[in-house]
Amino acid sequence: DSGVTQTPKHLITATGQRVTLRCSPRSGDLSVYWYQQSLDQGLQFLIQYYNGEERAKGNILERFSAQQFPDLHSELNLSSLELGDSALYFCASSEGTGVSYGYTFGSGTRLTVV
Amino acid sequence: SQKIEQNSEALNIQEGKTATLTCNYTNYSPAYLQWYRQDPGRGPVFLLLIRENEKEKRKERLKVTFDTTLKQSLFHITASQPADSATYLCALGQGGYNKLIFGAGTRLAVHP
Repeated sequence: DSGVTQTPKHLITATGQRVTLRCSPRSGDLSVYWYQQSLDQGLQFLIQYYNGEERAKGNILERFSAQQFPDLHSELNLSSLELGDSALYFCASSEGTGVSYGYTFGSGTRLTVV
Repeated sequence: SQKIEQNSEALNIQEGKTATLTCNYTNYSPAYLQWYRQDPGRGPVFLLLIRENEKEKRKERLKVTFDTTLKQSLFHITASQPADSATYLCALGQGGYNKLIFGAGTRLAVHP
């Protein structure tokens, strides 16, 4: 157990639907990062929050949004889902902000859009 | 554009030998380079971080080198074991930025 909790572990939904993925960071970590991993793309950075504030954005689609709450858990919202959104979604956390910290990853949410 | 290259072909080695994995990058000036291990269906696990002004870092059977002139990092596992079989990812980050960019990974298979 890495200390980063992601729910749900698996999600199957239809095209056009909206889903919410949840992440609780490791105790004491203030940064949360979201990554998407598909077979042909590898790990793609989506977005980062530090202590409730957005700090960095990657190639996140406009249909996707995220937030970090006062208790530091984070949610990634995916809407108007398409078949191509099927992937593993990972949340990671770190003590500080920036790339000088190693990230602790959760076990991921496998999203299947049918 | 920025590019991180890891050998897409699996690396097969015999137990007890040293595994060496390569990470090359172009159009990038990372201040930090990290290595992760990922098992199928699981999240990556952080192994080592090396800074641009460090040539080498060691942790138990692991060793990482970072050559900013060659734009390359080498990751070594000595006395490899079947339990070391996994995909190994390198990740680069620029100072002042919060994005850690990952390579596609190299699969290592250690045979008894």
